[in-house]
Amino acid sequence: GESVGLHLPTLSVQEGDNSIINCAYSNSASDYFIWYKQESGKGPQFIIDIRSNMDKRQGQRVTVLLNKTVKHLSLQIAATQPGDSAVYFCAEGTYNFNKFYFGSGTKLNVKP
Amino acid sequence: DAGITQSPRHKVTETGTPVTLRCHQTENHRYMYWYRQDPGHGLRLIHYSYGVKDTDKGEVSDGYSVSRSKTEDFLLTLESATSSQTSVYFCAIRPSGTGSSYEQYFGPGTRLTVT
Repeated sequence: GESVGLHLPTLSVQEGDNSIINCAYSNSASDYFIWYKQESGKGPQFIIDIRSNMDKRQGQRVTVLLNKTVKHLSLQIAATQPGDSAVYFCAEGTYNFNKFYFGSGTKLNVKP
Repeated sequence: DAGITQSPRHKVTETGTPVTLRCHQTENHRYMYWYRQDPGHGLRLIHYSYGVKDTDKGEVSDGYSVSRSKTEDFLLTLESATSSQTSVYFCAIRPSGTGSSYEQYFGPGTRLTVT
């Protein structure tokens, strides 16, 4: 697989703790948001999405929160595991287009 | 992996030469995308396709062209490669249809180095 040596903000957490990864988006017209996980040497993998008419959505061990007032998105991972170590990206877009804009990513490092 | 393959997986080429990267999918999805990934920039959309012979530009399309003559193949061409095009290139597909979300499935990537 492929990866890039990204100089990213890094979040280090202890295994079993909860993780919160934040993302600020730029376009107030964006109405759809996605979180992706990218493991070393692989392409991004979909985690969870949320539409602008919602402020919270839950998946398995993950929760996404959307605050449209301050254009902020967060991803919460419960009981973080070593397998969660990866780079996490948020992406924003609209329903009418295929153009999604990705953030620069946050590296999550889970310490055993 | 949603049946997406990219070829080649690695390529080194010289400045000024043309380069074509291929993305192949096996599930007849309508929407296909090309992104590049660089340190500090995340993923940036180069071009996308919404059907055979239907393509549109993304945010960093200069110096790139695409073609889609068959549903399963989406080609990205660097007309005259430059060092600034050294990057990792990802292809993605998006399933469409009733109830589909907008999630995209990504291929494994191609590392291109322009010397």
